[in-house]
Amino acid sequence: EAGVTQFPSHSVIEKGQTVTLRCDPISGHDNLYWYRRVMGKEIKFLLHFVKESKQDESGMPNNRFLAERTGGTYSTLKVQPAELEDSGVYFCASSQNTLANEQFFGPGTRLTVL
Amino acid sequence: AQSVTQLGSHVSVSEGALVLLRCNYSSSVPPYLFWYVQYPNQGLQLLLKYTSAATLVKGINGFEAEFKKSETSFHLTKPSAHMSDAAEYFCAVSKYNQGGKLIFGQGTELSVKP
Repeated sequence: EAGVTQFPSHSVIEKGQTVTLRCDPISGHDNLYWYRRVMGKEIKFLLHFVKESKQDESGMPNNRFLAERTGGTYSTLKVQPAELEDSGVYFCASSQNTLANEQFFGPGTRLTVL
Repeated sequence: AQSVTQLGSHVSVSEGALVLLRCNYSSSVPPYLFWYVQYPNQGLQLLLKYTSAATLVKGINGFEAEFKKSETSFHLTKPSAHMSDAAEYFCAVSKYNQGGKLIFGQGTELSVKP
């Protein structure tokens, strides 16, 4: 069974540009989470989808970030326009249910904004 | 608000020595507790989790952790370190009414010396 995949693995963009990150969860996992780790800091929650619906987006930094999950399958996270402080590693995770269930993480996308 | 504290951003042990990685949480209600490991260029992998069953939890690769409510701790141990244990370790908590989102500690980088 394929794990959680993320694309791209690395992205280097200039301030003001747009970047779209993609996450493909494990098939059949209704729950999809986005997290971010800024260098030197802890991994922080961004948002949670249940199927195609946003369950919790309390961790989204600001309105420059837009997450979608069309059809309840893969998800995208768009940053527009990117700022320097958006640099970090963006992780995606999926799980079958929410109650103390294991979240399976992707390898992350390392975003560098110059 | 919940928080997780991992004491020591870097821990170094000799091969064969005891591994002890510390994690304390702050929560008025005992949460679900997790330890994840991240090997280089990989996603986070679940080592073990506590979900209010036995307080001593055994995980993969010989790791275990003990939930101590009186100390609000969930320290990770392994009797004998192996070179392959070198990685970054994350303690995390979640609460039953928060959709499964994880709150992470800062991470502890474990080095194993030959």
